[in-house]
Amino acid sequence: ETGVTQTPRHLVMGMTNKKSLKCEQHLGHNAMYWYKQSAKKPLELMFVYSLEERVENNSVPSRFSPECPNSSHLFLHLHTLQPEDSALYLCASSQDRGGGYNEQFFGPGTRLTVL
Amino acid sequence: RKEVEQDPGPFNVPEGATVAFNCTYSNSASQSFFWYRQDCRKEPKLLMSVYSSGNEDGRFTAQLNRASQYISLLIRDSKLSDSATYLCVVTDAYSGAGSYQLTFGKGTKLSVIP
Repeated sequence: ETGVTQTPRHLVMGMTNKKSLKCEQHLGHNAMYWYKQSAKKPLELMFVYSLEERVENNSVPSRFSPECPNSSHLFLHLHTLQPEDSALYLCASSQDRGGGYNEQFFGPGTRLTVL
Repeated sequence: RKEVEQDPGPFNVPEGATVAFNCTYSNSASQSFFWYRQDCRKEPKLLMSVYSSGNEDGRFTAQLNRASQYISLLIRDSKLSDSATYLCVVTDAYSGAGSYQLTFGKGTKLSVIP
């Protein structure tokens, strides 16, 4: 079983709502990632955190706001979303030792529907 | 724009068949290459890394051709449990502090039929 958990697993929200997605990793990793997976599109990297600092933000709209309070937890705060933001949001973590790729472990995802 | 292209399928094959997936990538500076597997409504999981010399893991063989920017995955003696979407993945950018960006293909769907 994956050592990365995500809550909620399913979320339906209106365009004016504010909600947060939560990710927790139990693997002792020091890097965490948010990805978006839409139908018929490849996974898109949204944010990267390494040692609790954001090291990448792939031109994601400001209605998505990440937060990484410690190396085990990652949040994605959502506000005034659009219907096209409906997708599967996946969290991943890896143990980054520098100098080479380390496997990313994915959580089960949150399936988000924006009405 | 960095892209990873795959045949979306679906590939419908009988049990015991051999099936091959292909993938091309656009960024010649890509460093590392992988195949991930994603079951229906589940998260992606690493299937195997792809090395320049080619590598094999049981019924699965992966090949990399850097000159052609081409990656392949061969599955021999297909099992029902192999039914999934297979994602071609490359690392493109080093984000610093040891973290890498992955670029995913859209995936190739495989259905193994009894």
